[in-house]
Amino acid sequence: EAGVTQFPSHSVIEKGQTVTLRCDPISGHDNLYWYRRVMGKEIKFLLHFVKESKQDESGMPNNRFLAERTGGTYSTLKVQPAELEDSGVYFCASSPNQGEAFFGQGTRLTVV
Amino acid sequence: GESVGLHLPTLSVQEGDNSIINCAYSNSASDYFIWYKQESGKGPQFIIDIRSNMDKRQGQRVTVLLNKTVKHLSLQIAATQPGDSAVYFCAEKFAVLLRREKLTFGTGTRLTIIP
Repeated sequence: EAGVTQFPSHSVIEKGQTVTLRCDPISGHDNLYWYRRVMGKEIKFLLHFVKESKQDESGMPNNRFLAERTGGTYSTLKVQPAELEDSGVYFCASSPNQGEAFFGQGTRLTVV
Repeated sequence: GESVGLHLPTLSVQEGDNSIINCAYSNSASDYFIWYKQESGKGPQFIIDIRSNMDKRQGQRVTVLLNKTVKHLSLQIAATQPGDSAVYFCAEKFAVLLRREKLTFGTGTRLTIIP
């Protein structure tokens, strides 16, 4: 069974550019989450989808971040325009209802 | 790796010895706790969980202890192996029964097993 997959694994962009991260959850998992770890800090929650709906987006840092989950399947996280402080590792996770969360390998984003 | 610049508490243990990793959690109302293991270049991997109505839970070579009085969680790994070398995170959830699924992570501890 395929796990949670994230694309790309690494991305280096210039400040002001746009980047879109993609997450493919485990098939059949209704819950999808985005987390990130910026340098020197702990892993922090960004948002939670249940199917295509945003259940909790309390962790989204500002309106430069836009998450979508088309048809309740894969999800994208767009950062526009990217700033230096957005550099870090972005993790996606998925879970069945009331089950444990399985994490992807993460996307390392570097904004220069 | 992704931990560059992240100053983590570290623990070095001789292979075959037992290790204990500690975590202080923040929310006294949290009702579900999880330990994750993260190896270099990978995402966090579930190890073991415990609900707040329990104080101890055992898995294969791992035991989690919960002390709600002092908001403390620990992970014991028995007979450590080189593959146990990783960063270990505790995480907490609040109001699980209300389907609030947000995980709050601790800062992590880097465990190194010395051959």
